[in-house]
This record gives sequence, structure tokens and C-alpha cells, in this order.
Amino acid sequence: GESVGLHLPTLSVQEGDNSIINCAYSNSASDYFIWYKQESGKGPQFIIDIRSNMDKRQGQRVTVLLNKTVKHLSLQIAATQPGDSAVYFCAENIDNFNKFYFGSGTKLNVKP
Amino acid sequence: GAVVSQHPSRVICKSGTSVKIECRSLDFQATTMFWYRQFPKQSLMLMATSNEGSKATYEQGVEKDKFLINHASLTLSTLTVTSAHPEDSSFYICSAKATGQQPQHFGDGTRLSIL
Repeated sequence: GESVGLHLPTLSVQEGDNSIINCAYSNSASDYFIWYKQESGKGPQFIIDIRSNMDKRQGQRVTVLLNKTVKHLSLQIAATQPGDSAVYFCAENIDNFNKFYFGSGTKLNVKP
Repeated sequence: GAVVSQHPSRVICKSGTSVKIECRSLDFQATTMFWYRQFPKQSLMLMATSNEGSKATYEQGVEKDKFLINHASLTLSTLTVTSAHPEDSSFYICSAKATGQQPQHFGDGTRLSIL
């Protein structure tokens, strides 16, 4: 369901390492998932999406994994760069229902 | 593609003023637009959903007379904060979505500061 974070968990990684950001979703009927990146003072930016008939999808340096059994979504970023530092949100959606539920977000801090 | 423009990016005004924020989809038809409010270090809080040509659907606890939403065309939605007070100060973000199960695309937000 809908969640509003009271705090922002932080993931710190070294530049060049791979990052894994996790998200637990709540509605087993959700069939469409999106990862967004939000830099300070800006709106969220679409990164990658995945539908429930898939369990993995790859983009440029990013991979999204979906485990419907445990309702878990992850975003993997390869060779993390300082420009990847931002807050990352997952969002879930149920088809034909015009509402997206956002996770509480994870702050990624990339150390040079 | 999928560019959403939101303006103004920042507004500072006196208490009691009404403020209008515009959200435009520049290269696609937005059958649905969403308005969010975001507090520091928190997730996005959905305020309302609007479909072109229809009245907006407001989330529980959001005053529709306080936050007026108009979605008169497939490329433009506006949010008017009426008689704004300091507690309305926040970061307001719009998003737009085309027909079908597709991602929302977000504007860059409006930082509203009411003195």
C-alpha cells in the first residue's frame, strides 16, 4: 500500500563498486514496477520499469530484479559513479488503476 | 522523450496569497496528471489525481477547496494553492502519464515558501 517514509535509509558505496538498492512492496496484485532517481531539489527521474511477467530487466548499467514470491524488488547499479548519488524510489502499480504507490526511498551516497 | 515542465520552480510570497503552479507535458499527451507534496527526506505524498476533462480525485485529508486542480487539456494541469499560509510551504511536484500502464514522468518541482 501507500507508504510515506519517516526516515531515509542510506547506502554508502565506493566509486566503481556495484550498488544494490532494495524495495519491499505490499500489494500482491501489483503488476508493474518502476525505479526512480531523485536528485536534490529536482523531481524524480524514470530509470527503469518491469512488468510482473518478467523477473529481470536490464538497462544501461542498471538491472531490476523482481521476486513476486516475497514481493521484493531490487535495483542494481554497476560501476557506481558519483553522479549516481541520489535518493532512489521504487513505485508499484496495479493495471487499470491510476495510482502508483511509492516506497520510502533509499539515499545512495557514492564515495570517491 | 517524455518531458514534463513545471513552473515556477520557486515561489516566495506573503501569507494569504494564492499561488498557481503549472505542469505541462511537452512531447506526449497526458491523459492523467498527478500532484504530489514532498517533505524533506520523505517520500512523495500523493495529493490528487486528475484526468483530462474530469474533476480531480483528492486523497484523504487533502482539502479540495484549498488545492484547486484543473486539467483542461491533454498537456496542461494547474494546481492553485488558495490563501496560502506558512504551513503550506513545501515542495510540490507534478507528474504526467499517457494512456495505459506506463510510467509517470515528473516535473522538477516547485519550492513554495509562504512568509
